[in-house]
Amino acid sequence: QQQVKQSPQSLIVQKGGISIINCAYENTAFDYFPWYQQFPGKGPALLIAIRPDVSEKKEGRFTISFNKSAKQFSLHIMDSQPGDSATYFCAASLSSGTYKYIFGTGTRLKVLA
Amino acid sequence: KAGVTQTPRYLIKTRGQQVTLSCSPISGHRSVSWYQQTPGQGLQFLFEYFSETQRNKGNFPGRFSGRQFSNSRSEMNVSTLELGDSALYLCASSFWGAEAFFGQGTRLTVV
Repeated sequence: QQQVKQSPQSLIVQKGGISIINCAYENTAFDYFPWYQQFPGKGPALLIAIRPDVSEKKEGRFTISFNKSAKQFSLHIMDSQPGDSATYFCAASLSSGTYKYIFGTGTRLKVLA
Repeated sequence: KAGVTQTPRYLIKTRGQQVTLSCSPISGHRSVSWYQQTPGQGLQFLFEYFSETQRNKGNFPGRFSGRQFSNSRSEMNVSTLELGDSALYLCASSFWGAEAFFGQGTRLTVV
């Protein structure tokens, strides 16, 4: 019940295309859903995050869509660029002051120039 | 503003030894959490500290321990190292209730 399932494992997208990564969770007590981006040799960096009282959040080219009833959320990267090539992790936590994140298994994105 | 600093960046240890990893959080951040990252298991939560108190602990054996000092710096210790402990150990700091910032990690190799 603590798992966060992420798909796909890897993704290849043409420059300018849309990258879509999906995550599903089981624990309805999760209350905070961040997405992290990780480049090789670096630690993860927060990209965008959402709480379940909102169905969509957009920041620049990055959008989170959240479906509370289906217990699913997804990251959309619009106008994907080669610089977006990285590994993306979704996560979930009980937001009441904890940083105990349950991470998805990661998606390796490659954007072709 | 300096980021989260983890030392050392790389470490090679022998099975059975113990190791201590250090994390200096961003100035003003009092919350520190630790994660283990491996290709097989991904990112797994180890512990979380706030004001020198452990608030949460992940599902790791007792060989993994940690602490936080009064200046918010944190250390984690792994005793009796096993080959399977080879991983990237990540520390994250945060100002309570806000975004968690990760360091670059310590790459531990157990031989």
